[in-house]
Order: sequence, then structure tokens, then C-alpha cells
Amino acid sequence: AQRVTQPEKLLSVFKGAPVELKCNYSYSGSPELFWYVQYSRQRLQLLLRHISRESIKGFTADLNKGETSFHLKKPFAQEEDSAMYYCALEGGSEKLVFGKGTKLTVNP
Amino acid sequence: DAGITQSPRHKVTETGTPVTLRCHQTENHRYMYWYRQDPGHGLRLIHYSYGVKDTDKGEVSDGYSVSRSKTEDFLLTLESATSSQTSVYFCAIRAPGQGSTEAFFGQGTRLTVV
Repeated sequence: AQRVTQPEKLLSVFKGAPVELKCNYSYSGSPELFWYVQYSRQRLQLLLRHISRESIKGFTADLNKGETSFHLKKPFAQEEDSAMYYCALEGGSEKLVFGKGTKLTVNP
Repeated sequence: DAGITQSPRHKVTETGTPVTLRCHQTENHRYMYWYRQDPGHGLRLIHYSYGVKDTDKGEVSDGYSVSRSKTEDFLLTLESATSSQTSVYFCAIRAPGQGSTEAFFGQGTRLTVV
């Protein structure tokens, strides 16, 4: 079974502080992992995917297969990063499942 | 925005009535998904489709059925709506590829069952 766990419902940091949003997964095969973001009054959209090893808006995420984790990090949070963040996993059947989400608030 | 629209955007219905939500895409993507979004539960997969007439259940499929008779439309039906199905429903589309293809989401349908 595919499962994604985001242990923090809410995360609040000050502007300029580092931020880490945690994501752990359960899947017996080789998963495809993603981070999606939903800004206020906007559609859910892709932030980044593990296979690309990219940095988007200063965010990075590294897949750690040993710890089955895909944590999202940013060294210096900005107020515009305030949003709902979802970690997602796709197994071989194209079934795409999401975690419960973490609401990030960046305070001025 | 990707060519994906959901209708209706808002609906209020009575308990026990059937309700159908529509997801329409103009991208010709193979995969389509229906999710519900609830506070504290995040996005939960209801059903998904990997082609015309090919569908499968997600995590919370009880009380829901889907149909996909053509590539562009994916219908979600609540057979007999209950108050627990009050939620925001999102449709997503996705192209096949060498893994890790992006899912594009609709704007959501807010359904209230009274």
C-alpha cells in the first residue's frame, strides 16, 4: 500500500528563518515523490519532484530511501511562502496519493 | 492554467439525492483523478482513471462511482449524498511519461449536503 505521512499540520516560522516540512512515505517499490503547494485562492500546483533534483523558489527536497523520507527545505523563508504544502507519492500503477498537508505560515 | 475545468463550482444538495460532478479537460491526458479535500485529512483519492472506461478505486471510494466514456470527461457521482460527503472536490489530470509527470488540478467544487 502507498502511504504518505506529514507529521506537522501547522508550521510557523519567522521571515528569514530556515524551514523544513517533513514527509515520510511507505511503499514497497521505487516511488515517485512530489511536493505540491496551494497558495490562498489558487489551484494546487507542483512545486518540485524528486527525479528532477531541482530547486524551485529556493526549496529543495532530497529523497532518502533509507529513512523513507522526502523532506522539503528552504534556508531562508519568505512571507510569500505561506501556503499549504502537500507531499505526494506515485507508485507503479499511476495512483497518486497525498499526505494530509502542512500549513506553513511565515511571519514578518 | 492547464485546460481543466470542473462543474459546478458550488452545489448545495439534500441528503439522499444523487449528485454528479464533472471534470472536463482539453489536454488529452490519459490519467484523471478525483480527490476530496477536508481539514485535517488533506487530499484523499476517491477514484482515478487510466483510460477510457478504465477506472480504479482510491482510498475513500465508498459511496462514490465514476465514469469515463471519453478521454476528456471524468464524472464523479455520489449515489445518495450524505452529510459526510460535504467537502471540496478536486479533479486532476496527468500525462503518461517516464514517471514523475506533473498533475494539473481543477479549481475545485464545493459541495454541501444538507
